[in-house]
Amino acid sequence: SALTQPASVSGSPGQSITISCTGTGSDVGANKHVSWYQQHPGSVPRVMIFDVTNRPSGVSNRFSGSKSGNTASLTISGLQPEDEGDYFCRSFTTTSTYVFGTGTTVTVL
Amino acid sequence: EVQLVESGGGSLQPGGSLRLSCVASGFSFSSYWMEWVRQTPGKGLVWLSEINGDGSVTNYADSVKGRFTISRDNPKNTLYLHMNSLTVEDTAVYYCARGVDHSSDHWGQGTLVTVSS
Repeated sequence: SALTQPASVSGSPGQSITISCTGTGSDVGANKHVSWYQQHPGSVPRVMIFDVTNRPSGVSNRFSGSKSGNTASLTISGLQPEDEGDYFCRSFTTTSTYVFGTGTTVTVL
Repeated sequence: EVQLVESGGGSLQPGGSLRLSCVASGFSFSSYWMEWVRQTPGKGLVWLSEINGDGSVTNYADSVKGRFTISRDNPKNTLYLHMNSLTVEDTAVYYCARGVDHSSDHWGQGTLVTVSS
């Protein structure tokens, strides 16, 4: 079943926020293949983090990822208005499939 | 520039079948895993299936295993998703995506499939 994320997270410009992504020992806890996606309304998802901590070329270093046990996290530092949108985590699983998180809406106050 | 263009979506009744296509350009298609992901309007993302570069390895989510078939035609740079026994729960926007480092690094714009009686 889907990984668990908070439905919403908010912060003021310049602040840092963290989005959690909780799975099980069969997915998040089982490997390093956790990725994070940003989706603005009406747009397609964009990968922000892959393999827990890696940023693709072109992604701001304000975005960082980590993992502890069965929970992965995405931290956005120096929050900016353009960071508003939906964020989804995704993990590889022990059955060679992938599972997405439930999604988190980030609001910049 | 990497481009992925899906087609084949539409409206159909429960129990019907549909084939989605995704034409790729701007990269060496046969060198990459490719995936299908869907998104219900206003809801989350659901990973459906993936296929490796030469088509010899496929994986499916339990929710579609046995009903959906992923395939590719490398000379045509095209990815397919054959969908059978569709239900109203399959109504969604279907995206194809390129797989790199266990992530989806490029996505198409999606094609809408609506299943309704």
